[in-house]
Amino acid sequence: TQTVSQSDAHVTVFEGDSVELRCNYSYGGSIYLSWYIQHHGRGLQFLLKYYSGNPVVQGVNGFKAEFSKSDSSFHLRKASVHWSDSAVYFCAVSAWDSNYQLIWGSGTKLIIKP
Amino acid sequence: DPKIIQKPKYLVAVTGSEKILICEQYLGHNAMYWYRQSAKKPLEFMFSYSYQKLMDNQTASSRFQPQSSKKNHLDLQITALKPDDSATYFCASSQDPGGTEVFFGKGTRLTVV
Repeated sequence: TQTVSQSDAHVTVFEGDSVELRCNYSYGGSIYLSWYIQHHGRGLQFLLKYYSGNPVVQGVNGFKAEFSKSDSSFHLRKASVHWSDSAVYFCAVSAWDSNYQLIWGSGTKLIIKP
Repeated sequence: DPKIIQKPKYLVAVTGSEKILICEQYLGHNAMYWYRQSAKKPLEFMFSYSYQKLMDNQTASSRFQPQSSKKNHLDLQITALKPDDSATYFCASSQDPGGTEVFFGKGTRLTVV
């Protein structure tokens, strides 16, 4: 059984700061890891995913995530945030033995101060 | 131009009544899903359909029934509504079952009074 943990319910940074949103998972086999963004009042939008290969995955709008097998992590990062990045970010994991059903983290709300 | 259309956007219902949430996707996807989001549970998977067949049901209550009249339609019928059913319901789709890139609609916000 896979689980996903997003330890920070809220992260607050200033516009222009870098940010890291944390995601840890538990599963022993091969998995897909992905990040989604949800702006207020909207549905979720896919940001990026990782399955194999280069552990650093580039997404849209300057986001990237790095897979670490040793840390069981898939943290999302951005070098310089913009006010429009204010949203809730969800990490998700899926694996073959659960028919690749997405298992979701609880979300991290990113708050950008001007 | 939304590719997943959910209707209505907002819905207020009386306890005990029945409502149908509409979802149509125009992405040519073969798999469709329903999710629920509330203050209590950030994102909760409900159902998955593939080629109009139920693949997975994680909803304990039979009051929630998905209905697929066409490949690109997956409506959600909710009967005997309760205040606890108040949530935003998201329809989603992916190219194939188990697709890891899932596209979401804008949601239907249901309030049961």
